[in-house]
Amino acid sequence: QVQLQQWGAGLLKPSETLSLTCAVYGGSFSDYYWSWIRQPPGKGLEWIGEVNHSGGTHYNSSLKSRLITSVDTSRNQFSLKLTSMTAADTAVYYCARGRKVGAARAPFDIWGQGTMATVSS
Amino acid sequence: DIQMTQSPSTLSASVGDRVTITCRASQNINSWLAWYQQKPGKAPKLLIYEASNLETGVPSSFSGSGSGTEFTLTISSLQPDDFATYYCQQYNSYPTFGQGSKVEIK
Repeated sequence: QVQLQQWGAGLLKPSETLSLTCAVYGGSFSDYYWSWIRQPPGKGLEWIGEVNHSGGTHYNSSLKSRLITSVDTSRNQFSLKLTSMTAADTAVYYCARGRKVGAARAPFDIWGQGTMATVSS
Repeated sequence: DIQMTQSPSTLSASVGDRVTITCRASQNINSWLAWYQQKPGKAPKLLIYEASNLETGVPSSFSGSGSGTEFTLTISSLQPDDFATYYCQQYNSYPTFGQGSKVEIK
């Protein structure tokens, strides 16, 4: 049974960098793309980007210039950094399992528990 | 980006009611559509993928239909555990979500 456990976030000041990590337990890390998705309070979901085990990435064009992603295959973990945070970036951030490497499309079938990031001066 | 529009935004219903939520895509997404259920403070849960395929473990009271640009999620008989917010999501291209439809107690 695959599980995702994530950590990071918390309270940030404007212009600071958000750092999040998600660990994959109980399944294959290298077979999938792993995504980040966020949800501002009381609002809908926004896909941030995805990464695979070899560092291949695809990003939401609206966030691309502020995103840095990485993977640690030895620990089955992937990470996100979002720079120059503003109040508009305040949200719950989720990690999720997406499509298989080599496949074109898939929904998000497994999700982390979510972590809140609040930007306030 | 492909825009996803759900209706209604809020729906008031009673236990046992049949409930239908509609999702429209701004362009053809074939059948690359998923439905999720989200409860307060929890991550979304995948219910349906490829427009009409039930995810393992999801009650058969949930069903999905549609293709192209118009899709529906139907709950045949609403149960107390079904009061939640539902989101559609296209994955024909870079993923985008609908704005959500909240099913509340009437």
